[in-house]
Amino acid sequence: DAKTTQPNSMESNEEEPVHLPCNHSTISGTDYIHWYRQLPSQGPEYVIHGLTSNVNNRMASLAIAEDRKSSTLILHRATLRDAAVYYCILRDPNYGGSQGNLIFGKGTKLSVKP
Amino acid sequence: EAGVAQSPRYKIIEKRQSVAFWCNPISGHATLYWYQQILGQGPKLLIQFQNNGVVDDSQLPKDRFSAERLKGVDSTLKIQPAKLEDSAVYLCASSLEPGPNNSPLHFGNGTRLTVT
Repeated sequence: DAKTTQPNSMESNEEEPVHLPCNHSTISGTDYIHWYRQLPSQGPEYVIHGLTSNVNNRMASLAIAEDRKSSTLILHRATLRDAAVYYCILRDPNYGGSQGNLIFGKGTKLSVKP
Repeated sequence: EAGVAQSPRYKIIEKRQSVAFWCNPISGHATLYWYQQILGQGPKLLIQFQNNGVVDDSQLPKDRFSAERLKGVDSTLKIQPAKLEDSAVYLCASSLEPGPNNSPLHFGNGTRLTVT
């Protein structure tokens, strides 16, 4: 079962920032927090991942709480192309097989209004 | 770089028939995954290969599903015989590094299977 909790859906306005929350209260010390997104009729796409420190890349920023029990994916300026299902996933890179694999939940469906 | 290629894009079959899906991962990627995504749900891992060996097939319904990865490159996933509940999108993904790691997965656009 997925070890993260996300809202089922969120709405945003175009060109505004979006904060997508994720709770993972049972996270272990070696779990990394990964985010993927899935646009309609496409396979999932890697967005970002991190362990403890906040992370930035060209797509998004990842803010991780100090106790690591929650994190937030930040899209700085939402566009219509960002409308997708966003998945927050815990992954332990020290394990192969099922313990280290991506286990997807239902994610958050983000709608972007023009 | 070219992405993960999958074919066919769509397939419609009757229950009890057999079907096969093909995946060509990104060149040089050691690890290959097959996921099943039922409408409204997140993808569910079916099987993971590292090169041409199986790492994890604990979620694969082995009485009807089989998969192989010949020569550590292309892979095929087969269902025989198909059931109505197999209607789903079958996603193939690959990642660069072998073994436990944080290497991102690159997904294909999947094959949408409808069983009638």
